[in-house]
Amino acid sequence: GAVVSQHPSRVICKSGTSVKIECRSLDFQATTMFWYRQFPKQSLMLMATSNEGSKATYEQGVEKDKFLINHASLTLSTLTVTSAHPEDSSFYICSAKRLAHEQFFGPGTRLTVL
Amino acid sequence: ELKVEQNPLFLSMQEGKNYTIYCNYSTTSDRLYWYRQDPGKSLESLFVLLSNGAVKQEGRLMASLDTKARLSTLHITAAVHDLSATYFCAEWVSGGSEKLVFGKGTKLTVNP
Repeated sequence: GAVVSQHPSRVICKSGTSVKIECRSLDFQATTMFWYRQFPKQSLMLMATSNEGSKATYEQGVEKDKFLINHASLTLSTLTVTSAHPEDSSFYICSAKRLAHEQFFGPGTRLTVL
Repeated sequence: ELKVEQNPLFLSMQEGKNYTIYCNYSTTSDRLYWYRQDPGKSLESLFVLLSNGAVKQEGRLMASLDTKARLSTLHITAAVHDLSATYFCAEWVSGGSEKLVFGKGTKLTVNP
């Protein structure tokens, strides 16, 4: 099956710093990628939809100035958590859409903000 | 309001037993997905159900879709310990912004 990678897999940072997470589709081109956040023992919540070459679409309640998304190419989308705080600590998962009904998930990035 | 409801949310069962997880969704979607998640890991795709009456089976798991009832089921046959995980269903919502809407997940524990 198709492969989606994320980097880094785990990051620990100090409060107030910014963290960038990369999501890559390794063997296919993805015009659409999605970013999810998952808190412990909860489900996945969609944060934003990232479309190549255009602005991301954010879900209600997600601060677009805090969670910056860039989808610069058909194989790469990045999520930058700006001025991270402890409440931003979470498991961030991206997915890439290949065909109409195919979506492949990355392995996730665990962010811990001290 | 878009809503995907799974039940039960927690399921503890013995090896060898059968059980069904239910997933009710709120739209007229005809695309329903099932995923497995192990602790600390991302999602593993299990099934994609694309039409009314679709049934798919893989090993001890079988998923079905009834679009008229807006219901999907994940049936576990003769459970084994390795099936212990959290299972999510998700509906694909289209029209306007397209996205997956997830249920809360069912944490399955299979006891020896």
